[in-house]
Amino acid sequence: DAKTTQPTSMDCAEGRAANLPCNHSTISGNEYVYWYRQIHSQGPQYIIHGLKNNETNEMASLIITEDRKSSTLILPHATLRDTAVYYCIVLGGNKLVFGAGTILRVKS
Amino acid sequence: DAMVIQNPRYQVTQFGKPVTLSCSQTLNHNVMYWYQQKSSQAPKLLFHYYDKDFNNEADTPDNFQSRRPNTSFCFLDIRSPGLGDAAMYLCATKSAGGEDTQYFGPGTRLTVL
Repeated sequence: DAKTTQPTSMDCAEGRAANLPCNHSTISGNEYVYWYRQIHSQGPQYIIHGLKNNETNEMASLIITEDRKSSTLILPHATLRDTAVYYCIVLGGNKLVFGAGTILRVKS
Repeated sequence: DAMVIQNPRYQVTQFGKPVTLSCSQTLNHNVMYWYQQKSSQAPKLLFHYYDKDFNNEADTPDNFQSRRPNTSFCFLDIRSPGLGDAAMYLCATKSAGGEDTQYFGPGTRLTVL
């Protein structure tokens, strides 16, 4: 499975956009980029995923570079409830392999 | 709402006393997973079922076993819990035929005394 690299932590002001980067330089052509988040003491929550094209849903947007070696998760208007650990995962086969993730702290 | 349910949310057991954690799902998904998440660490896959086919991860200790009596239910059995097995145990499901998205339950936090 391709490895991912994420910053250990980030801060974001409430109401501003949170941009979470992820590097996945060894991604293969058929591997998807998945984003999950985990709020303290809860199970991971699916956010979004993509292959090549940018994606948007009700929670977030995912921007994937043309060479697919990196991506950015965008929370357009972060709230205090978005404080969580955000995991960027390259999915190969049936298994999710979680890295350390990014701790996002949204501050008022 | 269709969901992944884990009971109990908190489980306390004694060192060496067998314990069973349960997971049920109303999503009718073929694949069910068990993860272990120790404090301040990322979830780590223990094993998964693809329908009735059991797939163990190479580094999952023998102390951990699983049963899947039907599509909806999956159990995690810890035969002789040690202090190092205290963790959050997460169940997840996935549909084999479509999207690869895994849906997680809320987890069971296991304390070993």
